Amino acid sequence: DAGVIQSPRHEVTEMGQEVTLRCKPISGHDYLFWYRQTMMRGLELLIYFNNNVPIDDSGMPEDRFSAKMPNASFSTLKIQPSEPRDSAVYFCASSLSYGYTFGSGTRLTVV
Amino acid sequence: GQQVMQIPQYQHVQEGEDFTTYCNSSTTLSNIQWYKQRPGGHPVFLIQLVKSGEVKKQKRLTFQFGEAKKNSSLHITATQTTDVGTYFCAGRTSQTGANNLFFGTGTRLTVIP
Repeated sequence: DAGVIQSPRHEVTEMGQEVTLRCKPISGHDYLFWYRQTMMRGLELLIYFNNNVPIDDSGMPEDRFSAKMPNASFSTLKIQPSEPRDSAVYFCASSLSYGYTFGSGTRLTVV
Repeated sequence: GQQVMQIPQYQHVQEGEDFTTYCNSSTTLSNIQWYKQRPGGHPVFLIQLVKSGEVKKQKRLTFQFGEAKKNSSLHITATQTTDVGTYFCAGRTSQTGANNLFFGTGTRLTVIP
């Protein structure tokens, strides 16, 4: 099992640019979560899906953030336009029963 | 809103000493999970506790769930350098939905060889 796969591992972009983060969950897992981690705010849940349907997006900070899950094996988190305060590590996680399996994360730096 | 606090925020111990981190919720939890995140890594699931007063052990790690299901602890006996990392608790309530966890603030453990 390859686990949860995220890409890219690192992203450096200029303020105002569009950023797309990608996630491939573990096959068979019916829940998918996007988290953001910073020193100041810790792990924040942004949005989660169940069977590809967004269930709770109340953690999405602004309209600049959007997430999609077009099928059971792929999800994206898009930031447009990006701002320096979006710099963080973004984790995708998937789950079947109770424990979450996290991907290795995408470290985003917006300059 | 739902809050899960952990103390201490940081802990430095000499290798071989014991370590404990405490997790407190503002509301009653249906269950609680613990995760470990190595420096530069991602959170890794350790264990889930469900029953009031439950105690589980994994080698040198002992996990407890409080009687009121509002607090939990993780105790590591005789720490090793491989224990370095941040330990998070994550709670779920009956109101948070089928699979939504609230992560604690984490305790960062440093082990001095």
